[in-house]
Amino acid sequence: DSGVTQTPKHLITATGQRVTLRCSPRSGDLSVYWYQQSLDQGLQFLIQYYNGEERAKGNILERFSAQQFPDLHSELNLSSLELGDSALYFCASSVAGSPLHFGNGTRLTVT
Amino acid sequence: DAKTTQPPSMDCAEGRAANLPCNHSTISGNEYVYWYRQIHSQGPQYIIHGLKNNETNEMASLIITEDRKSSTLILPHATLRDTAVYYCIVRVGSGGSNYKLTFGKGTLLTVNP
Repeated sequence: DSGVTQTPKHLITATGQRVTLRCSPRSGDLSVYWYQQSLDQGLQFLIQYYNGEERAKGNILERFSAQQFPDLHSELNLSSLELGDSALYFCASSVAGSPLHFGNGTRLTVT
Repeated sequence: DAKTTQPPSMDCAEGRAANLPCNHSTISGNEYVYWYRQIHSQGPQYIIHGLKNNETNEMASLIITEDRKSSTLILPHATLRDTAVYYCIVRVGSGGSNYKLTFGKGTLLTVNP
């Protein structure tokens, strides 16, 4: 158990819809990272938050957004969903330069 | 972040040592070598990391060459549960606040009975 909790585990929705994925980091970790893993793309970094502020951006679409709340949990919002957004979405957390620890992900299926 | 090169796949017999190589010839002086693994569709699991000295923990050993251009992850007694994709990643260790990991394709290690 990495200590990083992601909910829900599975999500099935239709094209055009909006969903919110939630991540609770390990106790004491200030940084949260979001990754997307689809079959043909591997693990792709989306965005990082550090203590409530956006710190780094990767290959995140404009239809996607994230935020980190004062209690340090984070949410990834995906809107105007397309079939190609079907993927595993992982959250990771860390403190300073320590290793990232990953949750077990949310599997999103867009139909 | 420096690029790494790993073989796409390897096989290992159960109970034997699994030695997974990684080349990182463009590694910078302040970059660490990290190893993660991903067991089918689970979240990546941290294994071990090191700067220039060899490291050992309860999961594995990490051997880094003296010139730091390559490394080997050693699973001393592989079990069927070690079947996974293993990722070698280089990343700065400190001095900032963005410590994202850039994943490549990794090595699929299959442990056979």
